[in-house]
Amino acid sequence: GNSVTQMEGPVTLSEEAFLTINCTYTATGYPSLFWYVQYPGEGLQLLLKATKADDKGSNKGFEATYRKETTSFHLEKGSVQVSDSAVYFCALSKGSNYKLTFGKGTLLTVNP
Amino acid sequence: DAEITQSPRHKITETGRQVTLACHQTWNHNNMFWYRQDLGHGLRLIHYSYGVQDTNKGEVSDGYSVSRSNTEDLPLTLESAASSQTSVYFCASSAYEGLAIHTDTQYFGPGTRLTVL
Repeated sequence: GNSVTQMEGPVTLSEEAFLTINCTYTATGYPSLFWYVQYPGEGLQLLLKATKADDKGSNKGFEATYRKETTSFHLEKGSVQVSDSAVYFCALSKGSNYKLTFGKGTLLTVNP
Repeated sequence: DAEITQSPRHKITETGRQVTLACHQTWNHNNMFWYRQDLGHGLRLIHYSYGVQDTNKGEVSDGYSVSRSNTEDLPLTLESAASSQTSVYFCASSAYEGLAIHTDTQYFGPGTRLTVL
């Protein structure tokens, strides 16, 4: 079946540091790939998505590129801010049922 | 603005009681989903619905039920609450654009924290 594996946290960075959160997936064919973000006490929000190989999703300074050859969708940001502190979830959607399969989440804490 | 709301936001109940968590969306989305979030497990799908009178089981559906009588609401019922059901529950919705075209972007509610004592 489909599965998503993302790096375990927590990840702690200083402000303006470079961020990478690794995500790899297992699925047949070409799933859609997502990054969702959950700020403290809130629900999940879509951060970015990519629907086909080599697509790059981007939003709020975050980027992720759909790499079919490595089955990966790593999240990156060049300079994190304290306000980026949150839990980040990688997810995929495959097939006509449009259900999401989530990774376990990575807690990011950015210190001033 | 369209939104998705959940109520209550916090609930404490006792083992064996029936509990219903509400989910209401004003996006006019056909697809609705219930997840539970637990440390070390991420989000796991409980039940989902593609429209009125349609319901389907997810990966962790035992002990839960849903019903869909209108487009806006998908209440989640715990028939006999157990301590293992202590969790944070999220409702989500996504659009069906017709001609068998669904969008796969889901919009989430703020969550309900349920404690079963």
